[in-house]
Amino acid sequence: ETGVTQSPTHLIKTRGQQVTLRCSSQSGHNTVSWYQQALGQGPQFIFQYYREEENGRGNFPPRFSGLQFPNYSSELNVNALELDDSALYLCASGAPGYEQYFGPGTRLTVT
Amino acid sequence: KQEVTQIPAALSVPEGENLVLNCSFTDSAIYNLQWFRQDPGKGLTSLLLIQSSQREQTSGRLNASLDKSSGRSTLYIAASQPGDSATYLCAVGDTSGTYKYIFGTGTRLKVLA
Repeated sequence: ETGVTQSPTHLIKTRGQQVTLRCSSQSGHNTVSWYQQALGQGPQFIFQYYREEENGRGNFPPRFSGLQFPNYSSELNVNALELDDSALYLCASGAPGYEQYFGPGTRLTVT
Repeated sequence: KQEVTQIPAALSVPEGENLVLNCSFTDSAIYNLQWFRQDPGKGLTSLLLIQSSQREQTSGRLNASLDKSSGRSTLYIAASQPGDSATYLCAVGDTSGTYKYIFGTGTRLKVLA
């Protein structure tokens, strides 16, 4: 158990819809990162939040956005869903430069 | 730009065999390197974390080494068991800009009983 939880476990959405995924980090971890893992690939960095502000972004369009809250929870929002957004979405918490603790992931299917 | 490669992509071995999984990275300026295990459809289970100043870490039947100068890490699994069957991912702690992990595409391991 990493102490990082994610909800929901699975989600099915239609192309063009919007989705919100949630993550609860370990207490005391004020940095949270989100990753997208397509089938058969390694996870790809989406963005990171530190003290409720975006602190860096990977090669993902603006329709991927996030929020971080003072209670160590965070959200990943994806607008205008595309078929290629189907993936496992992972959040991770941990101090920069130290071990990252990953949640179990949310499997998103876009039809 | 940091790139991480894992070889082989897939491996099938008989139970009891010792095996080595390889991970290479292009930029030696890393914070650390972490090995993960991923079962089908599941999240990541951390196996070993090696800080950039360390050469190796051990946990039970697992041993991971790090050679920053050559951009290589190996994960050694002793006396493999069918329960070790999974995909093994290595991730490099990237120092360019925001601290983040750069992952390889993984090695899919199958241990035959």
